Amino acid sequence: DTAVSQTPKYLVTQMGNDKSIKCEQNLGHDTMYWYKQDSKKFLKIMFSYNNKELIINETVPNRFSPKSPDKAHLNLHINSLELGDSAVYFCASSQGLAGGQDTQYFGPGTRLTVL
Amino acid sequence: AQSVTQLGSHVSVSEGALVLLRCNYSSSVPPYLFWYVQYPNQGLQLLLKYTSAATLVKGINGFEAEFKKSETSFHLTKPSAHMSDAAEYFCAVSPSGGSYIPTFGRGTSLIVHP
Repeated sequence: DTAVSQTPKYLVTQMGNDKSIKCEQNLGHDTMYWYKQDSKKFLKIMFSYNNKELIINETVPNRFSPKSPDKAHLNLHINSLELGDSAVYFCASSQGLAGGQDTQYFGPGTRLTVL
Repeated sequence: AQSVTQLGSHVSVSEGALVLLRCNYSSSVPPYLFWYVQYPNQGLQLLLKYTSAATLVKGINGFEAEFKKSETSFHLTKPSAHMSDAAEYFCAVSPSGGSYIPTFGRGTSLIVHP
């Protein structure tokens, strides 16, 4: 069984559209994250939820809205997609609060291409 | 606030040669330090981490790293490179207190030549 799964793996869409990426973890972890990796492989944290509560919200445009229906799921909805949103988006989870000494477990990534 | 600097966006070695990937950090509180590896078209996975126990940390696939507080470094080494080690390597730092935001370095691409 995959520990952290994301759907879809690839997402190609037009500018201005709205899209969602889903993430699920079966590790029983309390904290989940969304990261954006750009074309130069730079990895930047976007959001983190602990037990369905938002605890990290970096300077991300409010077109991006995370939703955590339960602690095993953290979805990412993006409105009015722009060319600059093209990237690979990674979901991750960890046992404790964000940061600290806990290992983060990453999903396989969703490659978003905005045309 | 903390930050991570990985020296060299690309490191090229021959198969069987020593691998050395450099990571320097800054942190206002004692840090936890991590090395993650990303194989092509995959997510990141943990290689090893320092959590204030032993300063020499051994990880998977023969990698190890040494925490040197005086040099604020956490360099990753492997005595003998294998073709399968070709990947992107990320150093990351988390503070042991205060803000919990983890910070990743910009990554080093390891190229292994036959």
